Formats: sequence, structure tokens, C-alpha cells
Amino acid sequence: GENVEQHPSTLSVQEGDSAVIKCTYSDSASNYFPWYKQELGKRPQLIIDIRSNVGEKKDQRIAVTLNKTAKHFSLHITETQPEDSAVYFCAASRDNYGQNFVFGPGTRLSVLP
Amino acid sequence: EAGVVQSPRYKIIEKKQPVAFWCNPISGHNTLYWYLQNLGQGPELLIRYENEEAVDDSQLPKDRFSAERLKGVDSTLKIQPAELGDSAVYLCASSHRASGSGNTIYFGEGSWLTVV
Repeated sequence: GENVEQHPSTLSVQEGDSAVIKCTYSDSASNYFPWYKQELGKRPQLIIDIRSNVGEKKDQRIAVTLNKTAKHFSLHITETQPEDSAVYFCAASRDNYGQNFVFGPGTRLSVLP
Repeated sequence: EAGVVQSPRYKIIEKKQPVAFWCNPISGHNTLYWYLQNLGQGPELLIRYENEEAVDDSQLPKDRFSAERLKGVDSTLKIQPAELGDSAVYLCASSHRASGSGNTIYFGEGSWLTVV
């Protein structure tokens, strides 16, 4: 089955700097890769996703890149703000009806003022 | 539109007692998931339903955990008897089958279980 690894487990950056979180997956059939943000005591919320037919997707300060050959994808946050502090989870799934999502272990991002 | 609703939000029980969690998915979502999230870890699938059918329960500890989704809408997850190691957040999620667009999942706020 699918296995998703995520690095780093914790990340501290200064406000205004960029943050990068990397994930690798094992199942070459996976073709949908969402990222979730989870604030303390809150539900995981989708912030961006990418499908295997594109290599990069951007939404304001957030971008995701995908390298299918190497089976890894990354989340990039630019101009970080204190409200970006949270735990971020990547996931991998086959983009078919009813397929399971496998989540990475998470990255705790702290943006220091 | 309401999101995924779960109850109770918090539950403290003694070990060996039973506990049940309830989930109401987003209207129209036919896929429902129960995930287990331990502190500092990512969600792990317990069971996935397509309508009322459990299509993936391979990670559900069937000796003490059970789930149902009667009528293919609301779902209940039960633990009986609870053990200390069951202390975790139980997340319900749902998604909608849409041809060619994948199935983004949406989470509830979770039910926080503490077994003492």
C-alpha cells in the first residue's frame, strides 16, 4: 500500500521568510496530492492540492510542486505570517472514486515574529 | 452549507467503558471516513463507507471497534470496551463522488477521547 513520508517534522522561520515542506510517496499510481493545515484543536482544512497532470500550482502565497518521476511533492509558503503557524499534513491518493487517502505524519510550522 | 458535524466534541471515560461517536457528513457526500489521529501524528484511516457499505475496514480493530452507517448518511463509531491506548482524536470526514474531479475530503472538528 501507499506510504507517505514528510520532512521536516518541525520548522521554525522568521516572519516574512519562506517555508518549504517536502513529502515523498511510494505508490506510483497515486495521482492526487492535497495539503491540509491543522491549527491547534481544529479540524484539518484543505489549503491546496495538485493532480499528477500538472507540475506546479499556486494560490497567492502558497504553492505546491510535484515531481512524479521522483515521487515527491512540496509545499511552499512565501512571506510567512504568524497565522501560518500550524501543523501541515500532506496526503496521497489515487484520484478515483472512493480511494483512500494516506497522510504524512505532519510538520509543525512556527512563524516567529 | 454546514460542514461535517461530529459529537461529542470531548469525552472522558474510564477504561473498559463503552463510548460512541456520531458523525453527520456534508449533505450529498456519499463517501464517509473515520480517521484516528494520535497526538502529533497524521490521520490514519479506520473505516471508509461508500453510501451504507463499508468498503475498507482493514485498519479497524474489530475486537473492540464497530461502526455503522445506516441509510447511508449519518454514521456511528463505537468502542467497547475502551482501553487507555484509545485516547486520541476521532475524525470523521466526507467526500462527494464527482466524475473526473476526484474526491477532496472535508473533516469534522473531531471527537477528543480520553480514557482514564
